[in-house]
Amino acid sequence: EAGVTQSPTHLIKTRGQQATLRCSPISGHTSVYWYQQALGLGLQFLLWYDEGEERNRGNFPPRFSGRQFPNYSSELNVNALELEDSALYLCATPDRGYAYNSPLHFGNGTRLTVT
Amino acid sequence: DQQVKQNSPSLSVQEGRISILNCDYTNSMFDYFLWYKKYPAEGPTFLISISSIKDKNEDGRFTVFLNKSAKHLSLHIVPSQPGDSAVYFCAASANTDKLIFGTGTRLQVFP
Repeated sequence: EAGVTQSPTHLIKTRGQQATLRCSPISGHTSVYWYQQALGLGLQFLLWYDEGEERNRGNFPPRFSGRQFPNYSSELNVNALELEDSALYLCATPDRGYAYNSPLHFGNGTRLTVT
Repeated sequence: DQQVKQNSPSLSVQEGRISILNCDYTNSMFDYFLWYKKYPAEGPTFLISISSIKDKNEDGRFTVFLNKSAKHLSLHIVPSQPGDSAVYFCAASANTDKLIFGTGTRLQVFP
C-alpha cells in the first residue's frame, strides 16, 4: 500500500506569484491534513479536508486555500506569495477517521522557496 | 500561543545510554499525545502515542511517560542508537480534528 505522496518535491517561486502543491492520501483514506513547517518552528496546522469538504483551517490568511477532489487527493494553493511563506509543506492522513486519537501519517513534503 | 512546548532545541547522547526528550503543554483539555521522529528531507514518522487515561506506554526501546498534573510528557529511548539521530516532535490533541505540535528537539547520538 502506497503511503502519502506529495508533489513537487521542491518549488521555487517569486514573491507575488501563486504556488500549487499536491497530495495523494493513502488509498481509501478520505481525510487530508496540511501542515506548514517554517524554519525553526514546529508544524503549524493549515487545513483539513474530508469527503471533499474543508472541515477546519488554522490561523493562516485567506490566500492559503485548497480543495479535495473526488478521489480524495488534495491541492494546496498559496496566492500572492510572500517571503515568509518559504517552508516545508506537509500533507498527512490519519490512521482512521480524523486526527483525534489517531496517528497522522505524513508525506515527505514540498519544500517551497519564495525569492 | 504555543500550547505544546519543547524547551530543549537539541540533545546529545552517547550510544547505548538513555535519551530523554521532554515536552510541556498548557491546554488541560489535551487527552491524546504522540511523538514523531523526523529525518532531513522526509516527513515525520509516528513513533508512539499515549492516551490521558494512562501514565506510561512502552514500545520496544521507546517509552512515553505522561504526568497530567505537571502537564508534562517525556520520551525515553533506551538504549540510544546512532540511527535515532533525528528531530523529535511531540504533539497533542483535545477531542478536536487536529494535532498541535511542539517545535522539536534535535537528538544526536554519538559513538
